[in-house]
This record gives sequence, C-alpha cells and structure tokens, in this order.
Amino acid sequence: DSGVTQTPKHLITATGQRVTLRCSPRSGDLSVYWYQQSLDQGLQFLIQYYNGEERAKGNILERFSAQQFPDLHSELNLSSLELGDSALYFCASSGRGVSGTEAFFGQGTRLTVV
Amino acid sequence: DAKTTQPPSMDCAEGRAANLPCNHSTISGNEYVYWYRQIHSQGPQYIIHGLKNNETNEMASLIITEDRKSSTLILPHATLRDTAVYYCIVRIDNYGGSQGNLIFGKGTKLSVKP
Repeated sequence: DSGVTQTPKHLITATGQRVTLRCSPRSGDLSVYWYQQSLDQGLQFLIQYYNGEERAKGNILERFSAQQFPDLHSELNLSSLELGDSALYFCASSGRGVSGTEAFFGQGTRLTVV
Repeated sequence: DAKTTQPPSMDCAEGRAANLPCNHSTISGNEYVYWYRQIHSQGPQYIIHGLKNNETNEMASLIITEDRKSSTLILPHATLRDTAVYYCIVRIDNYGGSQGNLIFGKGTKLSVKP
C-alpha cells in the first residue's frame, strides 16, 4: 500500500460527459502529480501541484483541469469526454524524505468512455 | 530531463539475478537515476534511486558507472512476482520544483520464468 488513495477505482461514462477523479496523497506530502496511461501512449505526465499551486504542465488537454485543495487532496476534472480519453489515470505524491523525493503512486482510476 | 535507453524486453529465470541496463549518456551532474516498476496495470512502484554511488535496499541494487552514463538495476533473486515493466528515469531532485516530475519512457518488460 503506497498510502496514496484514488477514487473511484472504475468509472464508465458516455461521450460528452464530465467526470472528476479524486486523489488523497500520503500524509504530509505536498506534491501531487497526475498521469494518464492509455494502451498506445504509455505513462504520460499531465500536471503537478505543490502545496496548492500548479508547478508543471505536461501533455494535458484544455478539456482537462486539476486543482489541489488546502487539505492537499487533488481532483482531476475531465470534460467533453471522448472515446480516446479512456485510460488509466494515476495520481502520485511525494514528500521530502531523508533520501530524496521519490514519488508514490495510487492504484489508479480506470476510465471507460462509451 | 535526460533521455534514457532501455532494452524493450528481457527474460530471467526464477531465482537468478535479473540485471536491467539503462543508458543515460546525456545525464547532467545534478540529475539522479530513479527506477520504478509497474506490475500489470497497477500504479508504478518506486524501487531505488541514486546519484553517483551504488545503492542497495531491500528490493534491489543500483550500480551506476563512474562516468554516470549508464546504470544497472539488479534484482538479486528474481521471483515470478517481479514480472513487470521496469522504468529507468533521470531527473533533478527538486522537491516542489517544476522539474521534479517523472517522465516515463517505454521501459523494459521483464519476464521471470519458472
């Protein structure tokens, strides 16, 4: 158990809809990262937050947005969903450890758009 | 982040050592070498990381060449449960900074066979 919790585990929705994925980081971790993994693209970095502020953006579509709340949990909002958005979405968190800043991943949310 | 090159796949006999190579010839002086693995559709799991010295933990050993242009992850006694995709990533250890995110390549698919 990595200590990172993602909900829901599975989500099935129709094209054009909007969904929200939730991530609770490990206790005390200030950094949260979101990744998308589809069959043909591998693990793609989407966005990073640190203590409520956006720090880095990767290949995140304009239809997607994220935020990190004061309690450090994070949400990834996906709107106007398309079939190609079907993927595993992972959240990771990292904290300042003794030996470095390794990131720990949740078990993911499997999104299926039909 | 520096690019890494890994073989796409490797086989290993159960109980034997698995040696997974990674080339990172353009690594810069402040970039660490990180290893993660992903067991079928689960969240990636941190294994080990290092800067220039060899490192060992309960999961694996990391051997980094003196010029830091390549490294080898060693699983000393591979088991069937070690079958996974192994990712070698180089990154700046910049907690909270925009360069702290992990950029995954295609990794090496390690198959441990009985």
